[in-house]
Amino acid sequence: GAGVSQTPSNKVTEKGKYVELRCDPISGHTALYWYRQSLGQGPEFLIYFQGTGAADDSGLPNDRFFAVRPEGSVSTLKIQRTERGDSAVYLCASSDPGQGFPGYTFGSGTRLTVV
Amino acid sequence: QQPVQSPQAVILREGEDAVINCSSSKALYSVHWYRQKHGEAPVFLMILLKGGEQKGHEKISASFNEKKQQSSLYLTASQLSYSGTYFCGTSEHGSGNTGKLIFGQGTTLQVKP
Repeated sequence: GAGVSQTPSNKVTEKGKYVELRCDPISGHTALYWYRQSLGQGPEFLIYFQGTGAADDSGLPNDRFFAVRPEGSVSTLKIQRTERGDSAVYLCASSDPGQGFPGYTFGSGTRLTVV
Repeated sequence: QQPVQSPQAVILREGEDAVINCSSSKALYSVHWYRQKHGEAPVFLMILLKGGEQKGHEKISASFNEKKQQSSLYLTASQLSYSGTYFCGTSEHGSGNTGKLIFGQGTTLQVKP
């Protein structure tokens, strides 16, 4: 597609529930990143995919968070047993490393609110 | 380790200049700069690579001092559209070709007419 698409744009869930956040990157971009951003803060790294594999998942806060990218395009971030502290904007970005460290293109994010 | 940005906030009149700084305690391979407007996604401005190469698509400039692990973003003759929060994102030497970035806390820039 023309840009990075994230769905849903807003998600309200109850504490303890499971949520899935979807990211559809720019066509042909092999690198995909998940970040989360709290109010007034910079984006915080969660996980990076190169193709289908997670090249770096060092930012995932705990084992309640998991992400997949089974066909090397769309990615899903999964959060189990949500907690109020998980509330944030979850940003997805993609890039094409073949261009030599290009900038990221970010999606508009999913605003997750855990009540 | 998160890079540190300064200042935290800047208020300018249209046409004035501003400098935003980003410093890290770690050896850096590259520095990215992004601008984010309220409620929107961050937008890529520029990337600076170790060795001095600079890539961007807007009429702004930046520097990267590898020795001091610092980068500065220069906004000249500011326009109302420059308002927003500016983030630097750094990748560390030795992180390979991952492109993983660690972002600073942001600098809020407000340009007034």
